[in-house]
Amino acid sequence: DSGVTQTPKHLITATGQRVTLRCSPRSGDLSVYWYQQSLDQGLQFLIQYYNGEERAKGNILERFSAQQFPDLHSELNLSSLELGDSALYFCASSVVTQGGDEQFFGPGTRLTVL
Amino acid sequence: GNSVTQMEGPVTLSEEAFLTINCTYTATGYPSLFWYVQYPGEGLQLLLKATKADDKGSNKGFEATYRKETTSFHLEKGSVQVSDSAVYFCALSGGFIEKLTFGTGTRLTIIP
Repeated sequence: DSGVTQTPKHLITATGQRVTLRCSPRSGDLSVYWYQQSLDQGLQFLIQYYNGEERAKGNILERFSAQQFPDLHSELNLSSLELGDSALYFCASSVVTQGGDEQFFGPGTRLTVL
Repeated sequence: GNSVTQMEGPVTLSEEAFLTINCTYTATGYPSLFWYVQYPGEGLQLLLKATKADDKGSNKGFEATYRKETTSFHLEKGSVQVSDSAVYFCALSGGFIEKLTFGTGTRLTIIP
């Protein structure tokens, strides 16, 4: 158990719909990352938040948005869903260690768009 | 930008065989390098890491050495077990508290 929690575990929805994925980082971790894992694109970085502020953006579609709340949990909002958005969405939080920082991943949310 | 090139899979080995999964990278500056493992139906777990040239990361019998001259971070294990069957990802981070860039992953299956 990494200490990072994600809900829901599975999500099945239809094209055109909007969903919200939730992530709770490890206690004390200020940084949250979102990644998408799909068969054709592999593991892709979407967006990062640090202590409530957006810090970096990757290949995130305009239909997708995210935020980090004062209690440090984060939500990823996916709207106008398309079949190609079906993927596993991971959240990670990072901790600073003596040798640098490490990212710990949650179990993921599997999104299926029908 | 940063990139990671990883040995194509799938890889199938017999139990107790020697394992090598190749990983090379392209990055500016001094990246940190990681190997993550993903077991079926689970998230990614950090297997080992190295933060500077010539560092060797090791865990659970797996090892990888950060080779700056060849820009490589190959994963090795001397004697694999059935329980090592999983997907292995090589990754790099360009700096402190930065995103990870992943390779394509290598699916490893160990046959008893």
